[in-house]
Amino acid sequence: AQSVTQLGSHVSVSEGALVLLRCNYSSSVPPYLFWYVQYPNQGLQLLLKYTSAATLVKGINGFEAEFKKSETSFHLTKPSAHMSDAAEYFCAVTEGSGTYKYIFGTGTRLKVLA
Amino acid sequence: GAGVSQSPRYKVAKRGQDVALRCDPISGHVSLFWYQQALGQGPEFLTYFQNEAQLDKSGLPSDRFFAERPEGSVSTLKIQRTQQEDSAVYLCASSLALASGGNYNEQFFGPGTRLTVL
Repeated sequence: AQSVTQLGSHVSVSEGALVLLRCNYSSSVPPYLFWYVQYPNQGLQLLLKYTSAATLVKGINGFEAEFKKSETSFHLTKPSAHMSDAAEYFCAVTEGSGTYKYIFGTGTRLKVLA
Repeated sequence: GAGVSQSPRYKVAKRGQDVALRCDPISGHVSLFWYQQALGQGPEFLTYFQNEAQLDKSGLPSDRFFAERPEGSVSTLKIQRTQQEDSAVYLCASSLALASGGNYNEQFFGPGTRLTVL
């Protein structure tokens, strides 16, 4: 069965510092992987996705993630945090072409300190 | 264009009441999904429609939960005899279609309905 583990339910970084949010997955077949952001009282917004093309994926708002099969990881990074990045971030996996269920991690709440 | 909309945004129900939650997907989107997000958790899959056909309802937690999409557009999630454990945010998502030609069609999420059962 597929699963997603997000290490660290809360992460705090200073404004301008590197953001690193961790995601490890488990899947018996090649996965599709996603990062979503959720602002308070809003729906989930797609940041980026990995669908078996380039392993380094660039998304919106300066975020990127690298798919590492050997480490079963898909960590999210941003070189320099902005105050507006404060939100909850969810990693999700699905089995890929022809499937549809997203399996989400429990989320990481990012706090950006001035 | 308009995104996925859900109504009501907030619903308070007394235990035992029936509730109906509405989802308006993006026009032309074939696939529609319902997820349940408990406090402090990630969303969990409930059910999936392709047009009007409910192809997967394996995530519905009990027979008190019922979803429909009779004309392949608007969907309603109904919860009968609500219980306190039903308190959660219910998210609806739609996508143009399933993956085809190697292209994955992302799911677009609505803002959710926050259900509180007292």
